[in-house]
Amino acid sequence: AQSVTQLDSQVPVFEEAPVELRCNYSSSVSVYLFWYVQYPNQGLQLLLKYLSGSTLVKGINGFEAEFNKSQTSFHLRKPSVHISDTAEYFCAVSFYSGTYKYIFGTGTRLKVLA
Amino acid sequence: AAGVIQSPRHLIKEKRETATLKCYPIPRHDTVYWYQQGPGQDPQFLISFYEKMQSDKGSIPDRFSAQQFSDYHSELNMSSLELGDSALYFCASSVTGNTKNIQYFGAGTRLSVL
Repeated sequence: AQSVTQLDSQVPVFEEAPVELRCNYSSSVSVYLFWYVQYPNQGLQLLLKYLSGSTLVKGINGFEAEFNKSQTSFHLRKPSVHISDTAEYFCAVSFYSGTYKYIFGTGTRLKVLA
Repeated sequence: AAGVIQSPRHLIKEKRETATLKCYPIPRHDTVYWYQQGPGQDPQFLISFYEKMQSDKGSIPDRFSAQQFSDYHSELNMSSLELGDSALYFCASSVTGNTKNIQYFGAGTRLSVL
């Protein structure tokens, strides 16, 4: 079975500080990895994705993530956060099992402090 | 670029009433997914359709039904509403091919059952 774990439910960080949001997954088949961001009262916006190739992927708003197959991780990073980055971040995996399926982590609430 | 359109954005119903949520996928996307996100929860997969046929089923209650029409839009019908059905309902769409099932989400419909 496949699963996604986001260990941190909340991450407070001061503005202009770096941040890392952790995501680990478990799967017996090949997966594709995604990060989505959800601003208050809004939908899910695709932040970045890993499908194949370079393990370091860059997304929108200065975010990047690194796929580590041996550690089954896909941590999200940003070198300098802004107040506007305050949101809920969801890690997701997609895998094929008859059809393509998505599983989300439980989310990490990033709160950027002034 | 065109995105996934959901309507209505907000819906207030009373217990035992019915509700219909609509989803218009990105043009040329052939697959539609429905998710339910409870307060403080991650999105839970309900059901999906590919080329107007149900392709996968998740934790969708028997009181709910959905379909995809010839123009690829989809409707989620919810009957005998319960207080616990209050949630944010997302629709997502994807296109088969080389995009590895990247799902693009709408802004959601917030359903409040009183």
